Amino acid sequence: GAVVSQHPSRVICKSGTSVKIECRSLDFQATTMFWYRQFPKQSLMLMATSNEGSKATYEQGVEKDKFLINHASLTLSTLTVTSAHPEDSSFYICSAAGPSREETQYFGPGTRLLVL
Amino acid sequence: GENVEQHPSTLSVQEGDSAVIKCTYSDSASNYFPWYKQELGKRPQLIIDIRSNVGEKKDQRIAVTLNKTAKHFSLHITETQPEDSAVYFCAASLGRGGSYIPTFGRGTSLIVHP
Repeated sequence: GAVVSQHPSRVICKSGTSVKIECRSLDFQATTMFWYRQFPKQSLMLMATSNEGSKATYEQGVEKDKFLINHASLTLSTLTVTSAHPEDSSFYICSAAGPSREETQYFGPGTRLLVL
Repeated sequence: GENVEQHPSTLSVQEGDSAVIKCTYSDSASNYFPWYKQELGKRPQLIIDIRSNVGEKKDQRIAVTLNKTAKHFSLHITETQPEDSAVYFCAASLGRGGSYIPTFGRGTSLIVHP
């Protein structure tokens, strides 16, 4: 149990375009979803926390207008990178926590974004 | 906010040896400490966790110890195997508004030589 999917796995886009990444909990209801960014050989940097039906809470230094997060249902959260630039190229990973064990996060497989 | 230090950044061992990774945290209110294993290009996978009311937990070849007074916790892997090679992340989590927000360590790259 506790499977989280993420789509797409890889995306290449031109500078200035927007990219949407989906995160789904497949077999449980995720009360909270998290979005991370990971640079090569570095740790997971929390970008924002989202709860279903409410606005996301962004970590300090993360631009909310740049990284739009929508948590429309208990199984789906989306991250939209707006007006992407090469410096936004990174590995983006989502995770989800369920109602039975809020403290445990289950990670998606990640999305590798390359902005040309 | 919480600050988690993890050491070493790289650990190289021979197959069959033990490996120990150590983490310290700064916020005494943190009460949940998971460990994740991440293979290259893949998602982090939870391998073991411990709560603040427990001092030690073991699952086969993996064990975690927690010293709340000193605010440090460690991951112990015995009888290492080449498939244990990966990056390991510790985290300290604090309940905030109904969610547990983790702060991750910088990771330890474990290399097990056959």
